[in-house]
Amino acid sequence: EAGVAQSPRYKIIEKRQSVAFWCNPISGHATLYWYQQILGQGPKLLIQFQNNGVVDDSQLPKDRFSAERLKGVDSTLKIQPAKLEDSAVYLCASSLSRLAGSYNEQFFGPGTRLTVL
Amino acid sequence: KNEVEQSPQNLTAQEGEFITINCSYSVGISALHWLQQHPGGGIVSLFMLSSGKKKHGRLIATINIQEKHSSLHITASHPRDSAVYICAVSDTDKLIFGTGTRLQVFP
Repeated sequence: EAGVAQSPRYKIIEKRQSVAFWCNPISGHATLYWYQQILGQGPKLLIQFQNNGVVDDSQLPKDRFSAERLKGVDSTLKIQPAKLEDSAVYLCASSLSRLAGSYNEQFFGPGTRLTVL
Repeated sequence: KNEVEQSPQNLTAQEGEFITINCSYSVGISALHWLQQHPGGGIVSLFMLSSGKKKHGRLIATINIQEKHSSLHITASHPRDSAVYICAVSDTDKLIFGTGTRLQVFP
């Protein structure tokens, strides 16, 4: 079974530029997560999708970050414009389904390491 | 104060040593997770436990629900165990992560 795919693996941009990350979850996984992991910290949830709907985007800086999952499969996360403090690893994860009040194992992609100069 | 605290932040060991990483949490949970993150970013789930103890190969995870504390033990450590070990807790479908423990095992 193929795992969660992410691209690109690495990206270097200058501040105020735009960048987009792509995630392809495990086939059949309804729930998709985007995390931001700053060096030395644990991952922080940015946004959670259930199929193509947003479940939680409370920690997404909506003035510069956006994400979509139009067909309920692939997802893209965009930063526009980037700031120095956006330098981090952006992790995508997926899980089988979202059942109210229960946890389903999350499977993580390899991440995209973003450096903003 | 973070909801999930890990100690130590960094750990170095000689091959063969017994390793312990600790995790304390301050919120109600349905399960606690131990995850491994290798350089390059990918995260792999090692254990999910809600009570007692689990063992997989040289790895052992324990949890004390009353004390809100968990430990991850590695017996006979090996250089390939070098990674960041992350404790996380879940209540519903969300994970709350600790900051991780960076382990380096030298030959």
